[in-house]
Amino acid sequence: GAVVSQHPSWVICKSGTSVKIECRSLDFQATTMFWYRQFPKQSLMLMATSNEGSKATYEQGVEKDKFLINHASLTLSTLTVTSAHPEDSSFYICSASPGAGGSYEQYFGPGTRLTVT
Amino acid sequence: GESVGLHLPTLSVQEGDNSIINCAYSNSASDYFIWYKQESGKGPQFIIDIRSNMDKRQGQRVTVLLNKTVKHLSLQIAATQPGDSAVYFCAENKHQAGTALIFGKGTTLSVSS
Repeated sequence: GAVVSQHPSWVICKSGTSVKIECRSLDFQATTMFWYRQFPKQSLMLMATSNEGSKATYEQGVEKDKFLINHASLTLSTLTVTSAHPEDSSFYICSASPGAGGSYEQYFGPGTRLTVT
Repeated sequence: GESVGLHLPTLSVQEGDNSIINCAYSNSASDYFIWYKQESGKGPQFIIDIRSNMDKRQGQRVTVLLNKTVKHLSLQIAATQPGDSAVYFCAENKHQAGTALIFGKGTTLSVSS
């Protein structure tokens, strides 16, 4: 149990276009989902925390208008990278947590490799 | 800001040796700590966790030690195998709803046979 999927697993896009990444909890309801970014040979850096039905909370330095997060249901959160630039190329990882009333553990997705050309 | 960090960026061991990976944390309010393994191109994989009311926890071939006095966390892997080669991260948080994990810098473990 506790499986989180991400789609796509990798994507290449041209500079200036937008890309949407999906994060799904397959066998549990996720009250909270988290989005992380990981550059090569670096650690995971938290970008934002999203709760179902409310606006995401972004970490300092993360542009909310550039990284749009939608947590529309208890099993799906999306991250849209708008007007992508080469410096946005990174490995994006989501995690999901059942949250209050259940487990506080977080379950990670397999990640999405974004390359902006 | 507060963060969790690892002492060594790389560790090389021979197959069959025991490995010890260390981590220092700075947030006294953290009460939950986790070790993750990450293979290239994949998401973090849960290894073992420990709460702040414990000093030691054992799993299969792995042991986590927590020293709250010096804010130190370690992961011990017994009889290290080539399949253990990966990057290992420690992470911490205040174990409550909606709280994100803060990750340390990571240690790359290389196991040679």
